[in-house]
Amino acid sequence: EAQVTQNPRYLITVTGKKLTVTCSQNMNHEYMSWYRQDPGLGLRQIYYSMNVEVTDKGDVPEGYKVSRKEKRNFPLILESPSPNQTSLYFCASSDRKEGNPSNQPQHFGDGTRLSIL
Amino acid sequence: RKEVEQDPGPFNVPEGATVAFNCTYSNSASQSFFWYRQDCRKEPKLLMSVYSSGNEDGRFTAQLNRASQYISLLIRDSKLSDSATYLCVVNRGRSNYQLIWGAGTKLIIKP
Repeated sequence: EAQVTQNPRYLITVTGKKLTVTCSQNMNHEYMSWYRQDPGLGLRQIYYSMNVEVTDKGDVPEGYKVSRKEKRNFPLILESPSPNQTSLYFCASSDRKEGNPSNQPQHFGDGTRLSIL
Repeated sequence: RKEVEQDPGPFNVPEGATVAFNCTYSNSASQSFFWYRQDCRKEPKLLMSVYSSGNEDGRFTAQLNRASQYISLLIRDSKLSDSATYLCVVNRGRSNYQLIWGAGTKLIIKP
């Protein structure tokens, strides 16, 4: 089954304790992306990756890191989490058409609800 | 001005009614337009892409007005299962790989 898998689904942790949210897709998609969603706001892009070893900042990258060592995996790292990073996080992947993945539907993981105390 | 704006609603609509949403976007270079549906903080799912000529999928019709920079979604004969938040999504331009998401319009269909 084609899917995007995120882990964990829920996490409550404390300020400053490094954490990683994993994301894996089995569709051989080149493009992967991380979003956060907060009440009253649309999904905001944190980082995206066009291919292995290629990552770029989205609109809200501060406080986050990513890596893309393999095509299928795109982990999101919070080196020193803070309460303002409490949010619902989504990982997404898509194919590329005419070179531009934003022409294609995004396939989302189930989301990770993160609470930083 | 936000890059993508939607009326947050909620729209409370009786079952069987027709409902329409609009979404405005600010970047005239935007090339790709989508409507996604999101149920109660679950993952967004693609409802339909929006093409220049307009397109229809069953009870759903999407329209694009480039001159006025808005897209619309029409739902006919609404069902209880249509209750959800509808997200308008626009890309930033041909050479830009980012999608910009509206905050969503909440729709509640009542029996």
